[in-house]
Amino acid sequence: DIQMTQSPSSLSASVGDRVTITCRASQSISSYLNWYQQKPGKAPKLLIYAASSLQSGVPSRFSGSGSGTDFTLTISSLQPEDFATYYCQQSYSTPRYSFGQGTKLEIK
Amino acid sequence: QVQLQESGPGLVKPSQTLSLTCTVSGGSISSGDYYWSWIRQPPGKGLEWIGYIYYSGSTYYNPSLKSRVTISVDTSKNQFSLKLSSVTAADTAVYYCASTYSYSHFDYWGQGTLVTVSS
Repeated sequence: DIQMTQSPSSLSASVGDRVTITCRASQSISSYLNWYQQKPGKAPKLLIYAASSLQSGVPSRFSGSGSGTDFTLTISSLQPEDFATYYCQQSYSTPRYSFGQGTKLEIK
Repeated sequence: QVQLQESGPGLVKPSQTLSLTCTVSGGSISSGDYYWSWIRQPPGKGLEWIGYIYYSGSTYYNPSLKSRVTISVDTSKNQFSLKLSSVTAADTAVYYCASTYSYSHFDYWGQGTLVTVSS
């Protein structure tokens, strides 16, 4: 099975900061990588699919990049509503989907 | 816009079977572009994909749960369901249903329902 590892596991940042979260796959997954945002008590929300495609309705301050084994999610200027937990998910070994362990983004 | 809603008991006894239903609105469960998934999240932990079903009835399950999972679909009601047998406390989690677009990503999610396994 493909293992997904996110770093860091938690991160403190301030409103207006540029933030980058990394996701690494245990083997090459081409661009089959998706990103989700989850707020406490809520379902995850799709942000980015296919590594870099922005889901409809998601603000343009979110962007994704990478291919192969290394991927990043970048938030260009943090807004108060962006403090949440972020998960990556691979869809290369469909349907044996797997998620990263999550990165909790907190207010500094 | 597609909406999903989970329903079912919030408390299940150990060794019994957990049963949940997901009702899809705003779109047809028979849409050829979608598979319909169940995903769970133990309290304070990460996400685990359980399995999915296509409107035709074809299924695929997470190998770690395969022996205990059954997912079924009722196209006439625009619903799909999850059964997880022989539950233990380790199965306590928030269970989500989600649409799986083109084998790839989970684009619509239900709000989730907490199922606690306890006597």
